[in-house]
Order: sequence, then structure tokens, then C-alpha cells
Amino acid sequence: EAAVTQSPRNKVTVTGGNVTLSCRQTNSHNYMYWYRQDTGHGLRLIHYSYGAGNLQIGDVPDGYKATRTTQEDFFLLLELASPSQTSLYFCASSDWGVFYEQYFGPGTRLTVL
Amino acid sequence: GQQVQQSPASLVLQEGENAELQCNFSSTATRLQWFYQHPGGRLVSLFYNPSGTKHTGRLTSTTVTNERRGSLHISSSQTTDSGTYFCAIGSAQGTGSKLSFGKGAKLTVSP
Repeated sequence: EAAVTQSPRNKVTVTGGNVTLSCRQTNSHNYMYWYRQDTGHGLRLIHYSYGAGNLQIGDVPDGYKATRTTQEDFFLLLELASPSQTSLYFCASSDWGVFYEQYFGPGTRLTVL
Repeated sequence: GQQVQQSPASLVLQEGENAELQCNFSSTATRLQWFYQHPGGRLVSLFYNPSGTKHTGRLTSTTVTNERRGSLHISSSQTTDSGTYFCAIGSAQGTGSKLSFGKGAKLTVSP
């Protein structure tokens, strides 16, 4: 079973604050993804990456930066957090993207006051 | 982009009844994946099913790619099946790929 971990699991910040969400996978997967989940929207893709140093834009990228420092680590950065970014964030990984199953982390619940 | 429609949006059953969840998608898919989300938020992959029929315990996933539809059948439902079920469709995009999720189907099973 693929292992994807996220930290922190819960985070509260204020409007304008700086937040970094971390994701690590230990299965040598090439692809990693960041999603957000809001009531009534299912999960929506923010950014993804197919290797260290690579970044691809997803469907809802505004207000988010991401960086893939190693094959294992993918970070999501909110540099000026806003209340609209209050959400449940999931990280996922898969091998070679299209043809392989995605494995999800436990999620990070972010509240921006 | 890929559109994913799930139906019904919500479903209430008595324990022991069966459930059928539908997923329709707008363009050619390379894979279909079903997820279950616990009431507390944890997301669990149920099936990765690009085509055909797969079974796990009381769950059956059927994907008919050329008709752009999939289904998840839950037999003899239990209260522990309560939660939200998501269908997600994967498709190639340039050098990458992405999963597009439906909005989910909320299942409530009463004792």
C-alpha cells in the first residue's frame, strides 16, 4: 500500500498569514498532486508535479504556489492567506500519472480567520 | 475540460438494502477511480477500474468506457457504509495527467 503523509493535520491562521503545507510520499512515485475539497465541489486540483523541480498548473491555482524539492516532497504555499482558502487539502501521488492509481494522504484542515 | 456527473447526490437506505451509484463523464477517460470518504474526512480508494467489472466484498464497480459511464453497487448495506462516495476520472493532459472528481454521493444507512 502506497504511503502518503501530510503535515500539519490541522492549521489555523489569520488573513494575510503565510502557510506551508507539506506532503511526503515514500513509494518512489513520479507524480504528486495537491487538491482542495469544499462542500458542494468535490475535490479540485490546485497544482501537480511529475518530478523534482517540475510544477504543473491545475484547475484552481490562484493564490497558491507549490514546490517539489525532491521526488518525495511536495509543498503547497499560501503566501497571503485569505478566508476563501479555508478548506480541506489533500495530497496524492501516483506512478507515471495517467495509467496508475492515485494514493491520497489523510488531509490537512486549514482555517483562515 | 472533463465533466463528471454523479447521481444520486444523496441516498438514504435501511440496513440490508442495496445501493447503485452512477457516474457519467464527458470525454474519453483513461481511468475511473471510486473513493469513499469517511464522515471525518479520510479518503479511501475503493476501486481503480479503467474498464469492466471488479468486485471487493459487497462492492462492485463497473466501467463502460465507450459509453462514458461507471457505477458502484453496494449490496446488503450496513450502517458503516454511511459516508460520501466520489467518482474520479483520469485523463491525459499534455505531458501530465489529472483526476477530475464528481461532487460526490452522500449515503446514509439507517439501522
